Amino acid sequence: DFVLTQSPDSLAVSLGERATIDCKSSQSVLYSSNNKNYLAWYQQKPGQSPKLLIYWASTRESGVPDRFSGSGSGTDFTLTISSLQAEDVAVYYCQQYFSSPITFGQGTRLEIK
Amino acid sequence: EVQILESGGGLVQPGGSLTLSCAASGFRFSSFAMTWVRQAPGMGLQWVSTITASGGTTFYADSARGRFTISRDNSKSTLYLHMNSPRAGDTAIYYCAKGVDPHVPDWFDSWGQGTLVTVAS
Repeated sequence: DFVLTQSPDSLAVSLGERATIDCKSSQSVLYSSNNKNYLAWYQQKPGQSPKLLIYWASTRESGVPDRFSGSGSGTDFTLTISSLQAEDVAVYYCQQYFSSPITFGQGTRLEIK
Repeated sequence: EVQILESGGGLVQPGGSLTLSCAASGFRFSSFAMTWVRQAPGMGLQWVSTITASGGTTFYADSARGRFTISRDNSKSTLYLHMNSPRAGDTAIYYCAKGVDPHVPDWFDSWGQGTLVTVAS
């Protein structure tokens, strides 16, 4: 199985500052035939269901603010929030869909400093 | 607008059975793979099972294979998860999630609010 390890487990950032969350896969999720990374990012606010932010590692879902961006390739990926807003307090998860079973990272809790 | 509504959760005894339902609207249900993802209390997300758009192929996590059965009724735009012989470790919120491809489990662009399953005697 593909193991996704996120770091850090929790993060406190001041409003307006940059937040970065890393996701490392135990195996590459880059499919050579189409040069796409099979990785997505989700946001889960307290008491809510997850919400899709990013797919193909860097493609922002429609309606997601452009302060959210994804980067990386192969086994190492990053979710960046360029200027933290109060409504961004949540747990963030990465997910690989390169291979079954689909797996998620353990989650990173983002708080306001 | 896409709407996904799970139901059927509740208290079930170990070794019993329970069927979850997921009613979908706002999109062509028969064109997309559908998935169950669960979240134990205070824990992260765990993929459980996916069924292709036609219902012809199913995928299961090792923890679900042989005990859970995913199915769908495209005429009713409804997804199901039959849980047989649940264990305490199956206690979780079960989310229904819409895929973006008819054939394979990719990412999930819409999620329901979830239904809580508690396995206890």
